[in-house]
Amino acid sequence: KAGVTQTPRYLIKTRGQQVTLSCSPISGHRSVSWYQQTPGQGLQFLFEYFSETQRNKGNFPGRFSGRQFSNSRSEMNVSTLELGDSALYLCASSLAVTIGELFFGEGSRLTVL
Amino acid sequence: SQELEQSPQSLIVQEGKNLTINCTSSKTLYGLYWYKQKYGEGLIFLMMLQKGGEEKSHEKITAKLDEKKQQSSLHITASQPSHAGIYLCGADDKGGGNKLTFGTGTQLKVEL
Repeated sequence: KAGVTQTPRYLIKTRGQQVTLSCSPISGHRSVSWYQQTPGQGLQFLFEYFSETQRNKGNFPGRFSGRQFSNSRSEMNVSTLELGDSALYLCASSLAVTIGELFFGEGSRLTVL
Repeated sequence: SQELEQSPQSLIVQEGKNLTINCTSSKTLYGLYWYKQKYGEGLIFLMMLQKGGEEKSHEKITAKLDEKKQQSSLHITASQPSHAGIYLCGADDKGGGNKLTFGTGTQLKVEL
């Protein structure tokens, strides 16, 4: 059974650019969550999608957005990149409709120069 | 909003020694999750605790939930190099759906 797949694994961008990260959940999982991990702030919740609808949103500016497709694959987008957006972005999928075990991908490491 | 404080922030133990990591919540705990992370990689689920007094074990790792103290502890017996990594506790935010608030993390190193 394939795990959660995130692409790309590593990327470097410059300030002002935008970036799109992709996440393919475990087959059958309809919930996809995104987290940002930095040394200073730790692991912070960005948003969650369930059946193509955003169900939860964290305290991040509107530059951070996401979407989920009918096949449960999800993308997140960060526009007008800032140096502080450099982080490991983790995607997690879950089978549970409500809170349950989250299966995490390996993450996408974004460096903003 | 809920905050989770983990202690210690980091620790180094010799192989074979026991250790305990604590996770204290600023609010009532409805569900507590323990994850392990290798540096720069994804999180691996360890255990989920949902009831006060609940205790679960997996191999040499035991986790307990103390509802009254709003605290959970993770105990590793006879540590091995494979136990090294970052341990994170996560709590059900009660915001609905799959939203977890994570603790500050505890970095564990196991020396031979």
